[in-house]
Amino acid sequence: NAGVMQNPRHLVRRRGQEARLRCSPMKGHSHVYWYRQLPEEGLKFMVYLQKENIIDESGMPKERFSAEFPKEGPSILRIQQVVRGDSAAYFCASSLETGSYEQYFGPGTRLTVT
Amino acid sequence: KQEVTQIPAALSVPEGENLVLNCSFTDSAIYNLQWFRQDPGKGLTSLLLIQSSQREQTSGRLNASLDKSSGRSTLYIAASQPGDSATYLCAVRAGGSNYKLTFGKGTLLTVNP
Repeated sequence: NAGVMQNPRHLVRRRGQEARLRCSPMKGHSHVYWYRQLPEEGLKFMVYLQKENIIDESGMPKERFSAEFPKEGPSILRIQQVVRGDSAAYFCASSLETGSYEQYFGPGTRLTVT
Repeated sequence: KQEVTQIPAALSVPEGENLVLNCSFTDSAIYNLQWFRQDPGKGLTSLLLIQSSQREQTSGRLNASLDKSSGRSTLYIAASQPGDSATYLCAVRAGGSNYKLTFGKGTLLTVNP
């Protein structure tokens, strides 16, 4: 039973380009969460999605960031017109049910903006 | 707003020593608390999950305690080994969003052979 998969593991983008980060949840999990870990900072919640629905995007910057979890395929975190401050590790987690069910984390995508 | 603090930020111990990592949180109305391990450049591995109604959880050489009223948790590692070297993260679920994890910045543990 594969765990949470994220790709790419490392992504380098120049300022102004777009970054697309993908997350495939564990089999049977329909709840996906994205967290961001800035250098020297703790992980911070960004967004919570269920299939085809954004449930809570309160931690996501209002501009340039978007997330989706389509009926088929992985969840996508999209960052448009990246800036140096977007350089961070982005982690995806999934859970079987919502609420206080345990979240299982992927290996993360490390985004570097040059 | 929930805040999670971990002390110390870094800890270096000789192999075989027993050690305690500390975690404190400002909002005591939590659903549960979770300890994770993060290796350099890697993802998070869940170590222990303590529900708000529990006082402690044990797994092998690890024991985590929870004192909700005082807003504290400790992670006790017995007979430390070099393979335990990693960053240990504490995270809580609290408030109206019982799915949202709030993390501390972690304790970087180095166990020297």
